[in-house]
Amino acid sequence: DADVTQTPRNRITKTGKRIMLECSQTKGHDRMYWYRQDPGLGLRLIYYSFDVKDINKGEISDGYSVSRQAQAKFSLSLESAIPNQTALYFCATSDLAGGMGEQFFGPGTRLTVL
Amino acid sequence: AQSVAQPEDQVNVAEGNPLTVKCTYSVSGNPYLFWYVQYPNRGLQFLLKYITGDNLVKGSYGFEAEFNKSQTSFHLKKPSALVSDSALYFCAVRDWGYGGSQGNLIFGKGTKLSVKP
Repeated sequence: DADVTQTPRNRITKTGKRIMLECSQTKGHDRMYWYRQDPGLGLRLIYYSFDVKDINKGEISDGYSVSRQAQAKFSLSLESAIPNQTALYFCATSDLAGGMGEQFFGPGTRLTVL
Repeated sequence: AQSVAQPEDQVNVAEGNPLTVKCTYSVSGNPYLFWYVQYPNRGLQFLLKYITGDNLVKGSYGFEAEFNKSQTSFHLKKPSALVSDSALYFCAVRDWGYGGSQGNLIFGKGTKLSVKP
């Protein structure tokens, strides 16, 4: 969905490096999410945000941090990347007030930590 | 606890045959249910949702889903499968839990659909 963009689309990095994944949306939604996808494990929620001042931990937040710079921007950081953080990362948005919880996903970032 | 189960890791179907991808759920409030599809190297795309009303919900690409309250199921169906339907399918339910997670989606682990010519 072009309304939710993620950069970079692919990234290869080394253990111990700091990495930032960025997400931008033009949908005007308040809620934003970061998920990681691993084969056989489905989607797991890392962090979510209701607005710029509201950040919440998800199921697997250890080793990650986030920043909601504006309503439209939500970035995910790996302070010191480790190999088991190799995964596909998705950003998503939703409009809880106007919708029923339906989420809209970005194209994903494939991260490889060597 | 609220949860979604997709009991099949993979479903194999011949092109032209009907397909069903199964989903069962457990939720504390009204079941708001969703299906998403993920094509290779793409993000998740919304297919359809059930909020209220008719138990048979029609969505994108000819897919439909049947809500069954007594069986707590929301199976995805298509009368005639196409090779291009081959993808990963996720079922999700709205979280009615207390606190900040309310309104989030709880996803199943996904079912890989393979449609052979």
